[in-house]
Amino acid sequence: EPEVTQTPSHQVTQMGQEVILRCVPISNHLYFYWYRQILGQKVEFLVSFYNNEISEKSEIFDDQFSVERPDGSNFTLKIRSTKLEDSAMYFCASSEAQSMGRGLKFFGPGTRLTVL
Amino acid sequence: GESVGLHLPTLSVQEGDNSIINCAYSNSASDYFIWYKQESGKGPQFIIDIRSNMDKRQGQRVTVLLNKTVKHLSLQIAATQPGDSAVYFCAENTGTASKLTFGTGTRLQVTL
Repeated sequence: EPEVTQTPSHQVTQMGQEVILRCVPISNHLYFYWYRQILGQKVEFLVSFYNNEISEKSEIFDDQFSVERPDGSNFTLKIRSTKLEDSAMYFCASSEAQSMGRGLKFFGPGTRLTVL
Repeated sequence: GESVGLHLPTLSVQEGDNSIINCAYSNSASDYFIWYKQESGKGPQFIIDIRSNMDKRQGQRVTVLLNKTVKHLSLQIAATQPGDSAVYFCAENTGTASKLTFGTGTRLQVTL
């Protein structure tokens, strides 16, 4: 079965440092998403991406965050200057069609980001 | 993908019994709902979905019920197995939005 992959599985960084989280969506998918989950809390939407631009973003996704599809296979989330409160699990997801968020079946295993 | 959550509600059921996990959603405009299962160290795994023009949908061993009047969603798991132990989330989507809004989650513990 196809799957979304993410690297690294765990990233530890110092406050103020930049991090890039990487995702390889399923190959024929066109819509890409980032969600995060702070330990013990809900999964929260960050951003959706289609056709090389952001479709929708949440209030969390401020100007410290950016996303990019640098090539035909990777989808990245960059945090420019990490804060302690950015510590969370970050999940990438992809879908064939936006379908207005319907049927989002393919989440990656997550990257645990720890900001010290 | 841990939801260790000291504050997560927990449902404990015996193997073989049926489980019912509940979810209250907040947005009356939501018209599509998904149930996800999340095991420790993994991302959310799609279980079943339902559109607001339905009030019941069945899958393999799972049934989702939707009550729009009281904005309530439930997931029923028949003949619960140890492999069903996980955290279960409902998520809602509205109209043309691409985002899903997740609920708090319920931890299901299956005892032998």
